[in-house]
Amino acid sequence: NAGVTQTPKFQVLKTGQSMTLQCAQDMNHEYMSWYRQDPGMGLRLIHYSVGAGITDQGEVPNGYNVSRSTTEDFPLRLLSAAPSQTSVYFCASSYFQGAYNEQFFGPGTRLTVL
Amino acid sequence: AQKITQTQPGMFVQEKEAVTLDCTYDTSDQSYGLFWYKQPSSGEMIFLIYQGSYDEQNATEGRYSLNFQKARKSANLVISASQLGDSAMYFCAMREDAGGTSYGKLTFGQGTILTVHP
Repeated sequence: NAGVTQTPKFQVLKTGQSMTLQCAQDMNHEYMSWYRQDPGMGLRLIHYSVGAGITDQGEVPNGYNVSRSTTEDFPLRLLSAAPSQTSVYFCASSYFQGAYNEQFFGPGTRLTVL
Repeated sequence: AQKITQTQPGMFVQEKEAVTLDCTYDTSDQSYGLFWYKQPSSGEMIFLIYQGSYDEQNATEGRYSLNFQKARKSANLVISASQLGDSAMYFCAMREDAGGTSYGKLTFGQGTILTVHP
């Protein structure tokens, strides 16, 4: 199993550009989520999905869109990048239910917006 | 109010000694889970240990143990016999189980940087 994969690893954007961060998992997990990590702060939830076709907002959703057309993929879209979106982005997945639903994290995407 | 508080921005420990990383949490849910993750300088998030709110015994995983004090709402991570490779950022996180279903959403603390000296 590849686990959770993210592409690209690094990205530099100019203000106003758009891009999609890709996330895929091969563990048949229902739950997938996107977090961002800023210096001096823990991870904060952006959006999450409990299954194909179902998404919802997390703590910091503004400026980001998501969709979930398959169980495996959960892309994160930045429609008009802003410097405040400079961050490290982590995708995670887990089984939806169960007391012990460890979240498996991808390796992260480091995004810089100039 | 912060849901997860890690009051130690940085901690230092001598190799082979034990160290405790503090974590307090705030929730009104009866059912919740507490996690600790390790983030080395390479950046990946590594799961270490889990404690459920209904678990009566403290969780242990090898050199890691979780000192769970429910009444005080604390979930401190204890690393025994520290190794140089333990130097990393450590995050405490909580999952609140709204309606008895695990939605998997984690709330993270700000992290503690642990440095192990030889």
